[in-house]
Amino acid sequence: QVTLRESGPALVKPTQTLTLTCTFSGFSLSTSGMCVSWIRQPPGKALEWLARIDWDDDKYYSTSLKTRLTISKDTSKNQVVLTMTNMDPVDTATYYCARIDDSSGQYYFDYWGQGTLVTVSS
Amino acid sequence: DIQMTQSPSSLSASVGDRVTITCRASQSISSYLNWYQQKPGKAPKLLIYAASSLQSGVPSRFSGSGSGTDFTLTISSLQPEDFATYYCQQSYSTPQITFGQGTRLEIK
Repeated sequence: QVTLRESGPALVKPTQTLTLTCTFSGFSLSTSGMCVSWIRQPPGKALEWLARIDWDDDKYYSTSLKTRLTISKDTSKNQVVLTMTNMDPVDTATYYCARIDDSSGQYYFDYWGQGTLVTVSS
Repeated sequence: DIQMTQSPSSLSASVGDRVTITCRASQSISSYLNWYQQKPGKAPKLLIYAASSLQSGVPSRFSGSGSGTDFTLTISSLQPEDFATYYCQQSYSTPQITFGQGTRLEIK
């Protein structure tokens, strides 16, 4: 059974750095084809893809946010960590982590965490 | 980035209706198109991948079609639990994945 769960602060101040952790089970990020992405959703708005890390430690970032994002993994702990620097109120959103199994060559998010709401406010 | 445009943005329908939601890509994406359902306060749920493949466990009243730039999600007979927001997502330009703006399906 695949599960993912996001954790991190519910409130951060402007200019601070956000650190979110995705803890997962039911698969290994050392298995070929496995990837974990972060996606966010501002209140009442659409989904936005942020970053992805693959089983071979390849990392990819949204073009518009790449200067502020860092993704990493700890395979032994089954965790993926996302940091976002210089937080702004417009970054207020629910942040999700989700799994991609790219063994089929199709990149879709088949399992999602429940999401964690991050509010940016002073 | 490839832009994904859904229509309509919102839709009112009744239980038992047949509903179609459209997603258009700003350039050809072959069949690299996926559909998700999201209910309030919940994470999105994968319904359809590769334009027309039904995810395991998803009811057969959901179907997807299309290729190139134009895609549709069809619900053949709306059930009460289908009222939600639906998103399309392209993976042609992986890793730069993009979503549509969503279609909110409401009860008439």
